Amino acid sequence: DQQVKQNSPSLSVQEGRISILNCDYTNSMFDYFLWYKKYPAEGPTFLISISSIKDKNEDGRFTVFLNKSAKHLSLHIVPSQPGDSAVYFCAASPQGGKLTFGTGTRLTIIP
Amino acid sequence: NAGVTQTPKFQVLKTGQSMTLQCAQDMNHEYMSWYRQDPGMGLRLIHYSVGAGITDQGEVPNGYNVSRSTTEDFPLRLLSAAPSQTSVYFCASRSGTPEANYGYTFGSGTRLTVV
Repeated sequence: DQQVKQNSPSLSVQEGRISILNCDYTNSMFDYFLWYKKYPAEGPTFLISISSIKDKNEDGRFTVFLNKSAKHLSLHIVPSQPGDSAVYFCAASPQGGKLTFGTGTRLTIIP
Repeated sequence: NAGVTQTPKFQVLKTGQSMTLQCAQDMNHEYMSWYRQDPGMGLRLIHYSVGAGITDQGEVPNGYNVSRSTTEDFPLRLLSAAPSQTSVYFCASRSGTPEANYGYTFGSGTRLTVV
């Protein structure tokens, strides 16, 4: 049973435009959400996170939005750059608990 | 450089062989985890530890053992390798302090092939 779902396996966006990656979760006990970025042959790297007490967190070009009632979060990248081409994983955790990952979305930025 | 170190980077095993994937971190992190990444499956948690002497099972623990005798090390043992264990394995760690952002630091991975 997939508790964290990323329904889009891939996404292509033109350079300079906005990239929006989506994630849905089913476990109501999750209260911390994270996004990771992964390049080929490397480990995932932490990108941005959000606590369930917030609905938005921003860090430079990256913004994460959380809609608790819909159990949905999204990552916005503005403007998109070629170096943003990677696989993005959504992850969720209950307080101090195990981190559960989604299946990932491959983002390709088109120059 | 500080971080999570995994060895080996690549390994080929024959079915039935055993081996240990090594993981060490020098950040004094309490929490450590092992994940495997398979196409279309994302990252799945194998085993988990919240401190020396404490381990717990994740989503896919069968066929794997772990122990945590020190804060720094969290080895993953394959007892009798099977082709279904062909995967990329990632070790990760994070601080357990309340101020930590739950952001795990990952190693660069071990690519394991079982033939």
